[in-house]
Amino acid sequence: EAEVAQSPRYKITEKSQAVAFWCDPISGHATLYWYRQILGQGPELLVQFQDESVVDDSQLPKDRFSAERLKGVDSTLKIQPAELGDSAMYLCASSLPRTDGGELFFGEGSRLTVL
Amino acid sequence: RKEVEQDPGPFNVPEGATVAFNCTYSNSASQSFFWYRQDCRKEPKLLMSVYSSGNEDGRFTAQLNRASQYISLLIRDSKLSDSATYLCVGPRGGSYIPTFGRGTSLIVHP
Repeated sequence: EAEVAQSPRYKITEKSQAVAFWCDPISGHATLYWYRQILGQGPELLVQFQDESVVDDSQLPKDRFSAERLKGVDSTLKIQPAELGDSAMYLCASSLPRTDGGELFFGEGSRLTVL
Repeated sequence: RKEVEQDPGPFNVPEGATVAFNCTYSNSASQSFFWYRQDCRKEPKLLMSVYSSGNEDGRFTAQLNRASQYISLLIRDSKLSDSATYLCVGPRGGSYIPTFGRGTSLIVHP
C-alpha cells in the first residue's frame, strides 16, 4: 500500500462545479508534486513544491487550478470550475530533495470524471 | 520537442523473449534518468535509475547513451508479470523537475 495518502480516490462531478483533492506525503519528504495523467499518456507535472514554496507551476492552468501547501506538509489541489477535459487521474508524489532527482513515491491517485 | 519521448507501442512479445525500449531526451546536459513501471490503473513505481554508468538489476538493464541522447531499458527472459507500461523520467530545467514520457506499453503473452 502506498505511503502517500490521497483523497478522494474517485470523484464524479458535473462541469462548472468545484472539486478539491488532498495529499499527505511521506513524513519528512520536503518535495511534493501534483501530476495529471490522462488515459494513455504519461503523467504531466502540474505543480512542484519545496516545503511550502512553489518550485514550478508552469503547466498549471491558473485560470481554474490552484494548489497550496500552507504548512509545508499536506497539500490541496483545487479545480474551479471543472471542465470536461479535466477528466483524468490526479497523482500526488513526494520525494526527498535531491539535485539529481531521486525516487518519487506516488499515492494511489484521485480519479476525476467530469460529466 | 518534448523533454523526453517514447514510442507508445504496444510491444507484444512471447514469454522468454528479450525486449528493449528507448527514450530520447532533449536536454543534452541531463545526467540522471529513471525508469518507472505502471500497472493498469495503478500508480507509477520506480523500476531503476539510470546514470552515466548504467544500471543492472536481475533481468533488467538500463543504459544512458549521451552521444545520441537516449536511455534504454532491456528486459531479458520476459515474464507474463512484466506486462505493464514503462515510463522514462528525465529532468526539465536547471533544477531537477521530473518530466515523464508518455510511456511504452509491454504485453508479454504465453
